[in-house]
Amino acid sequence: GDQVEQSPSALSLHEGTGSALRCNFTTTMRAVQWFQQNSRGSLINLFYLASGTKENGRLKSTFNSKESYSTLHIRDAQLEDSGTYFCAADEGGSAKLIFGEGTKLTVSS
Amino acid sequence: DPKIIQKPKYLVAVTGSEKILICEQYLGHNAMYWYRQSAKKPLEFMFSYSYQKLMDNQTASSRFQPQSSKKNHLDLQITALKPDDSATYFCASSQDSSGAETLYFGSGTRLTVL
Repeated sequence: GDQVEQSPSALSLHEGTGSALRCNFTTTMRAVQWFQQNSRGSLINLFYLASGTKENGRLKSTFNSKESYSTLHIRDAQLEDSGTYFCAADEGGSAKLIFGEGTKLTVSS
Repeated sequence: DPKIIQKPKYLVAVTGSEKILICEQYLGHNAMYWYRQSAKKPLEFMFSYSYQKLMDNQTASSRFQPQSSKKNHLDLQITALKPDDSATYFCASSQDSSGAETLYFGSGTRLTVL
């Protein structure tokens, strides 16, 4: 939505390379979550962050609430990383998540 | 095994009809939600329930009615269906509704209204 601006909208990577996805927030967000939507349409939760940085395998995410952004870094991309990545944030006070429009990632060999 | 089960996976309906989308979660969570993913739009929050009580409703139309017969069930009844209702409807759950919890999604029901 308008409160969550996600970029880039599309990204192509060769296997073994990496890049970063970014979400900017126009209002103060309490926490951010990152999801991967795979080819079957399933939404897989990658990270929940209220602050700081988390790492899981080849993925690393950072959330800076003061500067209103979050990033998702992918390194050593693999074919199975292809899909659409969404960030989603909540303003606090409820469990409603506001989603970005997604980044469609294509990893090729 | 999937922990959040949505049925059916695909659903085709005619304009004006009524359908019920089923959702059951086996994660032991206390909060459940419905989100909608329409073509060319971000995922949109629809409803949140906590301990079977409605917490938040962001759906303008009363044609959409959640139904919770058990704590781990949150079905979605849609009446007087319109072509614009065509979308994938995702059920989700979290441990509680504070917002400070990871959200888990079901695999979705893709609804097509003709």
